[in-house]
Amino acid sequence: DGGITQSPKYLFRKEGQNVTLSCEQNLNHDAMYWYRQDPGQGLRLIYYSQIVNDFQKGDIAEGYSVSREKKESFPLTVTSAQKNPTAFYLCASRRRGDYNEQFFGPGTRLTVL
Amino acid sequence: GEDVEQSLFLSVREGDSSVINCTYTDSSSTYLYWYKQEPGAGLQLLTYIFSNMDMKQDQRLTVLLNKKDKHLSLRIADTQTGDSAIYFCAESRGNTPLVFGKGTRLSVIA
Repeated sequence: DGGITQSPKYLFRKEGQNVTLSCEQNLNHDAMYWYRQDPGQGLRLIYYSQIVNDFQKGDIAEGYSVSREKKESFPLTVTSAQKNPTAFYLCASRRRGDYNEQFFGPGTRLTVL
Repeated sequence: GEDVEQSLFLSVREGDSSVINCTYTDSSSTYLYWYKQEPGAGLQLLTYIFSNMDMKQDQRLTVLLNKKDKHLSLRIADTQTGDSAIYFCAESRGNTPLVFGKGTRLSVIA
């Protein structure tokens, strides 16, 4: 089955530690995205990548980093510089072009203790 | 960037129709989308409409588009408890990332 996987579903970390969230897709999509979701805030774009080895900052990139070494993978690192990292993180992917459905992964809930 | 606006909450009785409204920002947007998010899950595409259309119907779902007012609505007929979720509208501006509204939480009362 084609789709997007995010692991783990739930993640707990101590304050001050970096943590990397995994996102893998087997849809052969060019573009991949990371969003953060907080209650009542909707989706906020952290980083996106339109092509391998290239990525752009979204609206709230501070305290996060990404890499796109492979087409199917777009890991997100939440660094200790992110002041309030506890949130629900969603990864998405999409074929390039004006209309193409954007598919979402199931999300990772990160809790920093 | 400019925001896509949605009301945050809607409550309806089971069997009634639900209407979720959205105001988008870019008159050159070519596609507009409705996504559904169930608790603790990712978003799933419900339906979309191309900007040269006024209406699109898909079973219980009807999408209306008013380009002049940049207003989009999603009507769910015969709303069921399983329709309780957060609904997001989003606009497409070419190859740039989709712009999402903050979501409308629909509560269906049995």
